[in-house]
Amino acid sequence: NAGVTQTPKFQVLKTGQSMTLQCAQDMNHEYMSWYRQDPGMGLRLIHYSVGAGITDQGEVPNGYNVSRSTTEDFPLRLLSAAPSQTSVYFCASSYSGLAQETQYFGPGTRLLVL
Amino acid sequence: AQSVTQPDIHITVSEGASLELRCNYSYGATPYLFWYVQSPGQGLQLLLKYFSGDTLVQGIKGFEAEFKRSQSSFNLRKPSVHWSDAAEYFCAVGALLGGGNKLTFGTGTQLKVEL
Repeated sequence: NAGVTQTPKFQVLKTGQSMTLQCAQDMNHEYMSWYRQDPGMGLRLIHYSVGAGITDQGEVPNGYNVSRSTTEDFPLRLLSAAPSQTSVYFCASSYSGLAQETQYFGPGTRLLVL
Repeated sequence: AQSVTQPDIHITVSEGASLELRCNYSYGATPYLFWYVQSPGQGLQLLLKYFSGDTLVQGIKGFEAEFKRSQSSFNLRKPSVHWSDAAEYFCAVGALLGGGNKLTFGTGTQLKVEL
């Protein structure tokens, strides 16, 4: 199993550009989520999905869109990038959305918005 | 709302010395607690978790953590640190958010190991 994979590993954008961060998992997990990691702030939840076709907002959803058309994929879209979105983005998955479930994290995408 | 505090931003220990990383949480019900480790440029790897039962939890790489409800703490320990343990360590509490699982993370403790 590859686990959770993310592409690209690193991206530089100009303010106002759009892009999609890709996330895929091959563990047949129902639950997937996106976090952003900023210095001194830990990780914060952006969006999550409890299954194909179902998504919901986390604590910092503004500026981001998600969709979940398959169990395996959960892309994160930035429609108009802003410097405040410079961060490291992690995708995670777990078997279910139960609070005691272990979440498995991808290697991250480092995004720089100029 | 739940929260996690890791009071130590940086810790330096000598190889072979014991280690304790502190974690305090705030949560209204029985917490689901996790410790993750992040090596430079890598994702997060689960070290151990607590959600019920024995309050002393064993994890991978020789780590253990003890849940103390009276102190709202879940400190991570290792009896003898190896140079490869140098990394950033995150404590987290899991809770239901709508239909899903939200992890609330502390700000992390950066561990440096001196040879």
